[in-house]
Amino acid sequence: EIVLTQSPGTLSLSPGERATLSCRASQSVSNNYLAWYQQKPGQAPRLLIFGAFSRATGIPDRFSGSGSGTDFTLIISRLEPEDFAVYYCQQYGSSPLTFGGGTKVEIK
Amino acid sequence: EVQLLESGGGLVQPGGSLRLSCAVSGFTFSSYAMSWVRQAPGKGLEWVSSISGSGGVTYYADSVKGRFTNSRDNSKNMVYLQMNSLKAEDTALYYCAKDKGFGVLTPIDYWGQGTLVTVSS
Repeated sequence: EIVLTQSPGTLSLSPGERATLSCRASQSVSNNYLAWYQQKPGQAPRLLIFGAFSRATGIPDRFSGSGSGTDFTLIISRLEPEDFAVYYCQQYGSSPLTFGGGTKVEIK
Repeated sequence: EVQLLESGGGLVQPGGSLRLSCAVSGFTFSSYAMSWVRQAPGKGLEWVSSISGSGGVTYYADSVKGRFTNSRDNSKNMVYLQMNSLKAEDTALYYCAKDKGFGVLTPIDYWGQGTLVTVSS
């Protein structure tokens, strides 16, 4: 099983700042099949990024993904008020599919 | 518009069974894999199971393997999760989700609102 470790656990930032979220895998993610999801309180998650760097439909370009192998990054270039949420990475390259523990981006 | 509507959650005693259902609309159902993901209260996301578009391939998390069965009826646009031998640690909000592709190794692009399963005596 591939274990995904997200860091930091909590990121305290102000609107307009840049957020950098990390997702590290215990072994290489096949085909860089790594996705990022956003979840707000009381809501279902939303797909942001798949294939490590491809934005999902309707996702603004301030969200970008990068990385390969075992190290992946989600960058939010300028935080908007609606971006404060919990972010999860997921590898879907091999079974069992696994999620990271999440990074909470909170308002400073 | 893609819609996923889960039902079947509720309170069940340890060792009991429950069957979750997910009614789907808004896309060509048989062309896409479907997944179940759960979230314990106040916790993160945990992938449970995925089933291919044809239903011929299913994958399970080790925590549910042998106890849960994922199935689908492409004639009814329905997905099911049969949960047996339930444990307290199965307590969670269970999401039905549409995968982005036909095969099981694809990301999730649509989620339902979830159905709550509580395992307690």
